[in-house]
Amino acid sequence: KAGVTQTPRYLIKTRGQQVTLSCSPISGHRSVSWYQQTPGQGLQFLFEYFSETQRNKGNFPGRFSGRQFSNSRSEMNVSTLELGDSALYLCASSLGRWSSYNEQFFGPGTRLTVL
Amino acid sequence: AQTVTQSQPEMSVQEAETVTLSCTYDTSESNYYLFWYKQPPSRQMILVIRQEAYKQQNATENRFSVNFQKAAKSFSLKISDSQLGDTAMYFCAFTETNSGYALNFGKGTSLLVTP
Repeated sequence: KAGVTQTPRYLIKTRGQQVTLSCSPISGHRSVSWYQQTPGQGLQFLFEYFSETQRNKGNFPGRFSGRQFSNSRSEMNVSTLELGDSALYLCASSLGRWSSYNEQFFGPGTRLTVL
Repeated sequence: AQTVTQSQPEMSVQEAETVTLSCTYDTSESNYYLFWYKQPPSRQMILVIRQEAYKQQNATENRFSVNFQKAAKSFSLKISDSQLGDTAMYFCAFTETNSGYALNFGKGTSLLVTP
């Protein structure tokens, strides 16, 4: 099985722009979660989607949004970019929210740089 | 709020030796899951080992084992026969029903395995 894929792998944007990141989960996985990784704050949960619905949301401003499509692929969008949004954005997929293992498989991440 | 604390930002171990990475967490729930994830340099995060809180037996995966002390809320990772390929950031993570299964990560421990 192919692993979790994320596109693009690298992005450079300027302040005020918006950006859309994409994540394709492992085939058969229905839950997709997004995390932001920065040197200062570490790994922080952004949101989770399951069956095209946002099921859980972390403590991030409304500039961060996402969606999930019927094929479980997910996108996240960040509007009005700020310098502090520079980070590695990780997507993780899992079989489902009620899996007793709750194992999340991570993608390689998208490195976003905001200038 | 749940917190995960990794008190060792950096550690070093020689090849073939044993090293233990510490992790403590805080929760008021009785049912939860604990994980150790490994993030090699410039490579994606992978699950090393997981532990269900209701299981008293410590999890083991080949050279990796955990010491789960539920009362003390401690979850340390022991790596035996360390190999150069074990060099990576190691993250302790925690999830529970109340958090909607979002992973709550510690700040990480950077492990360097030297020849």
